Amino acid sequence: AQSVTQLDSQVPVFEEAPVELRCNYSSSVSVYLFWYVQYPNQGLQLLLKYLSGSTLVKGINGFEAEFNKSQTSFHLRKPSVHISDTAEYFCAVSVGGSNYKLTFGKGTLLTVNP
Amino acid sequence: NAGVTQTPKFRVLKTGQSMTLLCAQDMNHEYMYWYRQDPGMGLRLIHYSVGEGTTAKGEVPDGYNVSRLKKQNFLLGLESAAPSQTSVYFCASSYHRIGMNTEAFFGQGTRLTVV
Repeated sequence: AQSVTQLDSQVPVFEEAPVELRCNYSSSVSVYLFWYVQYPNQGLQLLLKYLSGSTLVKGINGFEAEFNKSQTSFHLRKPSVHISDTAEYFCAVSVGGSNYKLTFGKGTLLTVNP
Repeated sequence: NAGVTQTPKFRVLKTGQSMTLLCAQDMNHEYMYWYRQDPGMGLRLIHYSVGEGTTAKGEVPDGYNVSRLKKQNFLLGLESAAPSQTSVYFCASSYHRIGMNTEAFFGQGTRLTVV
């Protein structure tokens, strides 16, 4: 069965600093990878997704992620964060052959301080 | 275009009471899902449906039942609520299997407290 590990439960950073949120997955077959963002008291919004092709994926709000098959990772990055990026970020995987669902990591709370 | 709509948004139940959460989507999606979100646990799949009239168990189905009588609606029922079911519930839908051309869309969530 597939699983997702988000290595940091909380990441505090200062405004305009770069940030990386780490995500590793376990699966021996093809995968589709997603990052979702949840702002306080709101639902989940798709940030970006990797389906195939280029391993560098660009998403909304200046975020990007790189798929690394050999390291089974899909880390999320932003070169300069804003206060408004404060939110919880979820990495999720859907596995080929059983891709009727998403399996989520436990989430990383990104707090951007002034 | 409303997308995925969940009703109600908040609810407080007493232990042993029953209730139904409604999820409605207007995107003609085949697949629908119910997740629960608990602090430090991420989202866990309760039940899902791959089409009208079908349902299947997810990771944490105990204590819940679901029905998909109409394509656009997916109901989640709690027959006898327990404090362990205090959680935020999210409904999601997708056109088909999640993959190349399909992503999941989420509702705004239902915050349920069982006292």
